[in-house]
Amino acid sequence: GENVEQHPSTLSVQEGDSAVIKCTYSDSASNYFPWYKQELGKRPQLIIDIRSNVGEKKDQRIAVTLNKTAKHFSLHITETQPEDSAVYFCAALHSSNTGKLIFGQGTTLQVKP
Amino acid sequence: DTEVTQTPKHLVMGMTNKKSLKCEQHMGHRAMYWYKQKAKKPPELMFVYSYEKLSINESVPSRFSPECPNSSLLNLHLHALQPEDSALYLCASSQENRDRVVQPQHFGDGTRLSIL
Repeated sequence: GENVEQHPSTLSVQEGDSAVIKCTYSDSASNYFPWYKQELGKRPQLIIDIRSNVGEKKDQRIAVTLNKTAKHFSLHITETQPEDSAVYFCAALHSSNTGKLIFGQGTTLQVKP
Repeated sequence: DTEVTQTPKHLVMGMTNKKSLKCEQHMGHRAMYWYKQKAKKPPELMFVYSYEKLSINESVPSRFSPECPNSSLLNLHLHALQPEDSALYLCASSQENRDRVVQPQHFGDGTRLSIL
């Protein structure tokens, strides 16, 4: 079935450094890729998304890149801050276009002050 | 502030109890979702409603019964749950796709359910 692999599972960086999280999807017909940030005990919060007709999207310190040929997409966080510490989930929309998201297993990001 | 409101925030119930989880949104979204999330795991889709009609049931056991009384409300009725059903239950909503352009899903804060 459709699958999304996410790496690394944990990531620790110093404040001010950059963080990169990578995902690979299996369904070549997927056309929408959101990223969610989930702080401990809180809801998943959409932080950025990208559609298959775009290769890169930026929003302040956050950027997402998409390589459709390789079926890879990545989240880039620059100038990390302690409040960026959270679990990050990537997802790919199932090709049935019914709204079903296939999530990666998550990356726990720790930003050390 | 979340625009998807879930109640209650916490629920403890026995295996013979019947309870309901509620979700409400006033953003005019016509698609609503129930997810189950275990600790340190991603959300797992359970049900999708589109225009108040059930469009996806991810082979969820019948002890979970969804209901969409109107376009703003989504319920999840619980009966005879098992200890392994203890989890965070998340509701989400999104606009319907327009011109085949997918709309983002926005989550509520969830109900943390414990089955004794």
